[in-house]
Amino acid sequence: DTEVTQTPKHLVMGMTNKKSLKCEQHMGHRAMYWYKQKAKKPPELMFVYSYEKLSINESVPSRFSPECPNSSLLNLHLHALQPEDSALYLCASSQPPLRASGGVSTDTQYFGPGTRLTVL
Amino acid sequence: KQEVTQIPAALSVPEGENLVLNCSFTDSAIYNLQWFRQDPGKGLTSLLLIQSSQREQTSGRLNASLDKSSGRSTLYIAASQPGDSATYLCAVSSGTYKYIFGTGTRLKVLA
Repeated sequence: DTEVTQTPKHLVMGMTNKKSLKCEQHMGHRAMYWYKQKAKKPPELMFVYSYEKLSINESVPSRFSPECPNSSLLNLHLHALQPEDSALYLCASSQPPLRASGGVSTDTQYFGPGTRLTVL
Repeated sequence: KQEVTQIPAALSVPEGENLVLNCSFTDSAIYNLQWFRQDPGKGLTSLLLIQSSQREQTSGRLNASLDKSSGRSTLYIAASQPGDSATYLCAVSSGTYKYIFGTGTRLKVLA
């Protein structure tokens, strides 16, 4: 199974709402990622979890709150978003770097289908 | 700061043509490079991963090459088909977990 699943597929929310995005993989990967992609732009890294611990936060505003409750699940909690946060949110997973590789990412990233978020 | 550029931004070809997509990066100190395809409004599908120590990788009709010293990678698609129509993205890894994506090439293969 090389699948990363994301729910919901589409989400419309107001600026005062609280919602969550969910991502799941059962490939045994211990690194999981959140990316944000605006229309006709490349994905931009937001967060990375490695072994359920937050490894990278790319200076993302606090209205985005990631959570990794176990090795298969990754959530992104949303609160008080702005219309400019409307985008496709992509989850990905991979094996974490091996010590033998000097901590370098050597494995393929597998992406989910994304959640299309619209903030009104 | 690593910058990744893809040329051309868009490409339209008749079915059956062989074609080359280009990816350029400004910092040659990369660890690996991946090529992805993305269908409209969908997630990314990994096509090929080239480690920094490798020169090329092949999968079916796809061949990707890497020249670190010149900061370039190419994706060669043989005998293009309408089903190849998608946006193709390259991504370089310059550190643990950090992939920087290129600007993408939108490919349309005409039947």
